[in-house]
Amino acid sequence: AQSVTQLDSHVSVSEGTPVLLRCNYSSSYSPSLFWYVQHPNKGLQLLLKYTSAATLVKGINGFEAEFKKSETSFHLTKPSAHMSDAAEYFCVVTNQGGKLIFGQGTELSVKP
Amino acid sequence: ETGVTQTPRHLVMGMTNKKSLKCEQHLGHNAMYWYKQSAKKPLELMFVYNFKEQTENNSVPSRFSPECPNSSHLFLHLHTLQPEDSALYLCASSQGASGPETQYFGPGTRLLVL
Repeated sequence: AQSVTQLDSHVSVSEGTPVLLRCNYSSSYSPSLFWYVQHPNKGLQLLLKYTSAATLVKGINGFEAEFKKSETSFHLTKPSAHMSDAAEYFCVVTNQGGKLIFGQGTELSVKP
Repeated sequence: ETGVTQTPRHLVMGMTNKKSLKCEQHLGHNAMYWYKQSAKKPLELMFVYNFKEQTENNSVPSRFSPECPNSSHLFLHLHTLQPEDSALYLCASSQGASGPETQYFGPGTRLLVL
């Protein structure tokens, strides 16, 4: 069975400092992996998607994630946080039927 | 904007009321989904429709009744709900429903059951 674990429920950074949101997955086959972001009172927006092509995936708003099979990780990073990055971030893995399995989310706070 | 709209955005209802949530996608997709997002819990898939046919019912109580009249519209009919059904209900769509498709989400309906 597929599962995903977001290692931090809450991350706080200062504006201009790097962001690291951690995600580990479990899958019995080569999965597709996503990161979605949810701003307050908004729906989920796709940040980036990995589907067995390049292991370093670039997304919108300066975010990127690296697929590391040996570590079963798909951590999300950004070199410099902006106030507008404050939101909840979800790591998602697909099962063999294509259904999305969501992590519990990481709330990112950005301090001025 | 993601091309998926939901109405209403907020809804307060009593346990004896009947109401409906509406979702419309303008992306030409063939698959539509209902999710429930409760505080401190991962998103829960409720229903999947592919080409207007229901392909997934994730053990959802019968007080939630979905309807998909065409590939662009999806409804969730609600009756005799419980307070624990209070949550954000998200609709999503994708090109198909059988592979690792990207799903596009609407803004959600925040439901409060009193």
